[in-house]
Amino acid sequence: GQNIDQPTEMTATEGAIVQINCTYQTSGFNGLFWYQQHAGEAPTFLSYNVLDGLEEKGRFSSFLSRSKGYSYLLLKELQMKDSASYLCAVIDSNYQLIWGAGTKLIIKP
Amino acid sequence: GAVVSQHPSWVICKSGTSVKIECRSLDFQATTMFWYRQFPKQSLMLMATSNEGSKATYEQGVEKDKFLINHASLTLSTLTVTSAHPEDSSFYICSARTGQENQPQHFGDGTRLSIL
Repeated sequence: GQNIDQPTEMTATEGAIVQINCTYQTSGFNGLFWYQQHAGEAPTFLSYNVLDGLEEKGRFSSFLSRSKGYSYLLLKELQMKDSASYLCAVIDSNYQLIWGAGTKLIIKP
Repeated sequence: GAVVSQHPSWVICKSGTSVKIECRSLDFQATTMFWYRQFPKQSLMLMATSNEGSKATYEQGVEKDKFLINHASLTLSTLTVTSAHPEDSSFYICSARTGQENQPQHFGDGTRLSIL
């Protein structure tokens, strides 16, 4: 079966750095997305990785290792508004998007 | 760019009513649109995928006759919840994507449906 694993919940301090991990076992791989979803709102697109390595976009970076079936989202200089759920999603060989359950990130002052 | 508009944001109606939700891509052509449902504190559940001009593909367990999807143009898809009941109360979210499968889905703001 297809599976995406993310921690259910993480807590971090304002101004700090946090890394949210995602491991996947899917039938094929055609890319990985990270989305942010604030409570009661729809997801917003953060990043896309298809090749190994790090993609940096401002305070957020996303890393991919296809051989390990592993990705992480790195958030720097955390702000209170970063409190949200972060969803990892993988495109499989049939170009179906497989969603993780999301990681709820709690930022404390 | 990549703005998706979903309307209405909130619906409260009586049991037995049919409710129509619209999803529009405002600044790009959405070859494919997706409809999701999300219960509180749970992950997104894909209900169906629709390609412009074709019949929607429904996920297992989703009733086609209950959740009618129409994708008549490259910028508009509609979801109609027919004869809604309290158990249909949920957060419904649409997303849209261009033709390339490796492009991200862009989401509308969602519709919160409450059936009394």
